[in-house]
Amino acid sequence: EDQVTQSPEALRLQEGESSSLNCSYTVSGLRGLFWYRQDPGKGPEFLFTLYSAGEEKEKERLKATLTKKESFLHITAPKPEDSATYLCAVQGLSGSARQLTFGSGTQLTVLP
Amino acid sequence: DGGITQSPKYLFRKEGQNVTLSCEQNLNHDAMYWYRQDPGQGLRLIYYSQIVNDFQKGDIAEGYSVSREKKESFPLTVTSAQKNPTAFYLCASSAGGAQPQHFGDGTRLSIL
Repeated sequence: EDQVTQSPEALRLQEGESSSLNCSYTVSGLRGLFWYRQDPGKGPEFLFTLYSAGEEKEKERLKATLTKKESFLHITAPKPEDSATYLCAVQGLSGSARQLTFGSGTQLTVLP
Repeated sequence: DGGITQSPKYLFRKEGQNVTLSCEQNLNHDAMYWYRQDPGQGLRLIYYSQIVNDFQKGDIAEGYSVSREKKESFPLTVTSAQKNPTAFYLCASSAGGAQPQHFGDGTRLSIL
């Protein structure tokens, strides 16, 4: 059974204070790892897909990296508008190829 | 603009009543999904459909039903058999394979 654990559950940063969010996973063969951003009362917004260990993707202040056991979402010089819940999900090779397993998310608050 | 439209945004159910949540997409995606999100938990898969007139149960299908008569539409019915229906319901679609799922903005269901 695929499993995803995100840490920390909540993170408070000062504006400009860089940090990282962790997503640890166990999966019997990784088809893809996905990062999403979710604002209160909204659906998740797709950020990145990572397919293999060593891969990195960047978008503005966000950078996602992947190893064989975990993924990190690095946030550089965050701004208050980066405040949101960040979700990680994996798609494994076993079972249905279409199913994603989600973590519980990291709630990020960036203070001005 | 291409996207996923969920309606209504808020829905209230009375005891013994079935309610239907609407999901429409104009992304020309083959696959569509329904998830349930509860506070502090990851998204849990209710049902998914890979093609028209075909759908499969997810991890928590009991008390729910779906149909897929058109590629663009994947309505979810919450039946009276679902004893704890209060949650945030999210619909998603994808192009298939390891392509990311894209989400609507959800329907919040509450009990009267």
